[in-house]
Amino acid sequence: DAKTTQPPSMDCAEGRAANLPCNHSTISGNEYVYWYRQIHSQGPQYIIHGLKNNETNEMASLIITEDRKSSTLILPHATLRDTAVYYCIVRVSGSSGDKLTFGTGTRLAVRP
Amino acid sequence: DGGITQSPKYLFRKEGQNVTLSCEQNLNHDAMYWYRQDPGQGLRLIYYSQIVNDFQKGDIAEGYSVSREKKESFPLTVTSAQKNPTAFYLCASSHQGNTEAFFGQGTRLTVV
Repeated sequence: DAKTTQPPSMDCAEGRAANLPCNHSTISGNEYVYWYRQIHSQGPQYIIHGLKNNETNEMASLIITEDRKSSTLILPHATLRDTAVYYCIVRVSGSSGDKLTFGTGTRLAVRP
Repeated sequence: DGGITQSPKYLFRKEGQNVTLSCEQNLNHDAMYWYRQDPGQGLRLIYYSQIVNDFQKGDIAEGYSVSREKKESFPLTVTSAQKNPTAFYLCASSHQGNTEAFFGQGTRLTVV
């Protein structure tokens, strides 16, 4: 299964962009990259996903490198409510169905 | 309202007892998942199911059992064989294919 690697923690100033990196060097050609975030003691919240093109929605942007071995989640104007653990996941499709395997994530602290 | 519901939110059991955690969804999703989360850790996949009457072991299935008799329901039983059952348990569901997964708010199980 494709494994992801993220820095354990990051911080950024409120109002600035938060750029969260993720390495997924063993990703296969048809496997999507997903990002979720988890605020303490709640269920993870979906943010965005993509295959090879850059994606943007109302929450964030996802930049995937051309070789697809890494990606960056961008929160364009971080707020204090964006403080959370961010998970980068590769969705693995198999004969038994799709697996969503989480790593340990990046703990983002947004400071005032 | 449409969504995924886990109950109860908090659960206490004595050591040696089996306990069943409920997960119900009315999103018409085919796929359902169970995860375990320990303090300061990421999510680990216990079991997943893509269709009714079929389910697959995840990365840490030992000591757990599931059933999928109805599309809407995917209960998880934590058996007495699970050596360290105290944890935060999260259920998720999604359509098949590359779509977002929705998470419940979790059940915090404490075994004393």
